[in-house]
Amino acid sequence: AAGVIQSPRHLIKEKRETATLKCYPIPRHDTVYWYQQGPGQDPQFLISFYEKMQSDKGSIPDRFSAQQFSDYHSELNMSSLELGDSALYFCASSLTELAGASNTGELFFGEGSRLTVL
Amino acid sequence: GENVEQHPSTLSVQEGDSAVIKCTYSDSASNYFPWYKQELGKRPQLIIDIRSNVGEKKDQRIAVTLNKTAKHFSLHITETQPEDSAVYFCAGYTGGFKTIFGAGTRLFVKA
Repeated sequence: AAGVIQSPRHLIKEKRETATLKCYPIPRHDTVYWYQQGPGQDPQFLISFYEKMQSDKGSIPDRFSAQQFSDYHSELNMSSLELGDSALYFCASSLTELAGASNTGELFFGEGSRLTVL
Repeated sequence: GENVEQHPSTLSVQEGDSAVIKCTYSDSASNYFPWYKQELGKRPQLIIDIRSNVGEKKDQRIAVTLNKTAKHFSLHITETQPEDSAVYFCAGYTGGFKTIFGAGTRLFVKA
């Protein structure tokens, strides 16, 4: 079965550079999430999109932006990178139940993109 | 917003023993409580979940219990095996489009 695809798997950048991470959700999944996980930390929610519209926002820095495109893939853009941005970035997708427009489903995570900022 | 607290942060058990991980949540409107297992360097994967209209759910060696009045839920693993060693995250979902994770419990199962 198709899973969530993230690219690149590994990325090394210098401080103040820009990075872009891509995520391809499971086909027919209408909700995409981005999480940041530092070493030994829990996944921190950054942002989510439902049907290509931003649906919720967490602790995403102003230097970061994200969008979901017409083919449902999503990109996380990170600018002016800092050492503290080094982390594993997970994308997850789910199928949101239409009744009540509430999301009570399982999150399917990609393998993650490991960003190292030097 | 929702806040999920999880404890213990580390748990070490002997193979064959049981392990219990507990979580509390703050938002009484939360209606969905999944548990994810994350092995070192890998992605979190759902192992069991429970919805607010159910008090307990079992799947082979794992079970989850929910106490809505006290706003806490627990993961129970029986007959632990070395391959159960991982980080376990509880999570809460209130509404909207975000799932909030607990801080995680690192489980060590000693052979």
